[in-house]
Amino acid sequence: EVQLVESGGGLVKPGGSLRISCAASGFIFGRYSMNWVRQAPGKGLEWISSISSESSYIFYADSVKGRFTISRDNAKASLYLQLNSLRPEDTAVYYCARDPYRSGWFDGWGQGTLVAVSP
Amino acid sequence: EIELTQSPGTLSLSPGERATLSCRASQSISSNYLAWYQQKPGQAPRVLIYAASSRATGIPDRFSGSGSGTDFTLTISRLEPEDFAIYYCQQYGSSWYTFGQGTKLEIK
Repeated sequence: EVQLVESGGGLVKPGGSLRISCAASGFIFGRYSMNWVRQAPGKGLEWISSISSESSYIFYADSVKGRFTISRDNAKASLYLQLNSLRPEDTAVYYCARDPYRSGWFDGWGQGTLVAVSP
Repeated sequence: EIELTQSPGTLSLSPGERATLSCRASQSISSNYLAWYQQKPGQAPRVLIYAASSRATGIPDRFSGSGSGTDFTLTISRLEPEDFAIYYCQQYGSSWYTFGQGTKLEIK
């Protein structure tokens, strides 16, 4: 069974930084592309970044490009997102999600971690 | 960026009825790379359909997807009480994935 557990969320001031993590289990992590998707309170879903299985291909949404950095450690079965220069509009639940066939849809999701950006 | 517009915003139906949800893209989606997700309050999304019409593992056959190009539909043939939720479409035909704004399916 695919299990994804996010951690590291919290309250941070505008302009601050945070690193969130996603621990994977139940599958061979190093064989799958992974993604971060966020959801602002009461709003819809927004894909923000993807990383291929060997970190060869990385993509970002324009809304976070240059501020957020996705990375992974296959030996630790973990996915990371470094969030810098945070803005109030970055406040959201951040989900990690597995891409089963390197195609772009997501068959496994974590429970999410809340990042709140506020003075 | 491909924009997805879902309609209606809210759909009020009764258990046992048929639900038809629409997702329209601002440009043609290559290879029908469109997925549908269901999200219940306080939960992560769950994939229902990928590649426009393929049911994901474990999804009941009352859920079906159809469409191509710019117009896609999710149909729930006979609504069960557990089907009342928010539904999102997502395109993955470009390197920048996008979601629709969602359709809330509520009990009438």
